[in-house]
Amino acid sequence: AIQMTQSPSSLSASIGDRVTIACRASQGVRIDLSWYQQKPGRAPKLLIYAASTLHTGVPSKFSGNGSGTDFTLTISNLQPEDFATYYCLQDYKYPWTFGQGTKVDIK
Amino acid sequence: QLHLQESGPGLVRPSQTLSLTCSVSGGSVNSGGFFWSWVRQPTGKGLEWIGRIYTTGTTTYSPSLESRLTISMDTSRNQFSLELSSVTAADTAVYYCARGNKFLSGNYNRNALDVWGRGTVVTVSS
Repeated sequence: AIQMTQSPSSLSASIGDRVTIACRASQGVRIDLSWYQQKPGRAPKLLIYAASTLHTGVPSKFSGNGSGTDFTLTISNLQPEDFATYYCLQDYKYPWTFGQGTKVDIK
Repeated sequence: QLHLQESGPGLVRPSQTLSLTCSVSGGSVNSGGFFWSWVRQPTGKGLEWIGRIYTTGTTTYSPSLESRLTISMDTSRNQFSLELSSVTAADTAVYYCARGNKFLSGNYNRNALDVWGRGTVVTVSS
């Protein structure tokens, strides 16, 4: 199975900060990668698909980049509602695999 | 607006079969272009993709669960289901159902899980 490794596993940031989360695949996945936001006790929410395309209704403060094995999710102007755990998911090859998650909390 | 709702027993005895149903409202499980997935999350841990079923009935399962897993669809009830046999404590998790969608990006369709149920907690314990 393709292993997805996110870094960092957690980070602390302040309101208004810009943060970047990395996701690395153990083999190339083209741009078959999506990003999800999950808040405690809630289901994940799709943010980005095809590595960089913002899902409908997702604010432009979120952006994704990358292809092949290296991907990033950037969140600009962090607001209280952005503090959550973020996951990448590759759908290039079965079984689909998630990264282990990156928790973004308030400094 | 599409809505997914998981249902099933919250407690399953070890070695028994875990059975969950995902009821779909605001849309049809028979709609072309979509597929239906299960994802689980042990308490305090990350997400694990379990498997998916297309409207044709074609299924794909995680190899780690394949020998114990069945995902099926009941179009008359607008539902899809998961059965996981011979469960152990390691199967204790929140189980989510989700819709898989294909988004056109460039010349290709790209997959993503765009609508999720709220999740249901399943505990395996005697």
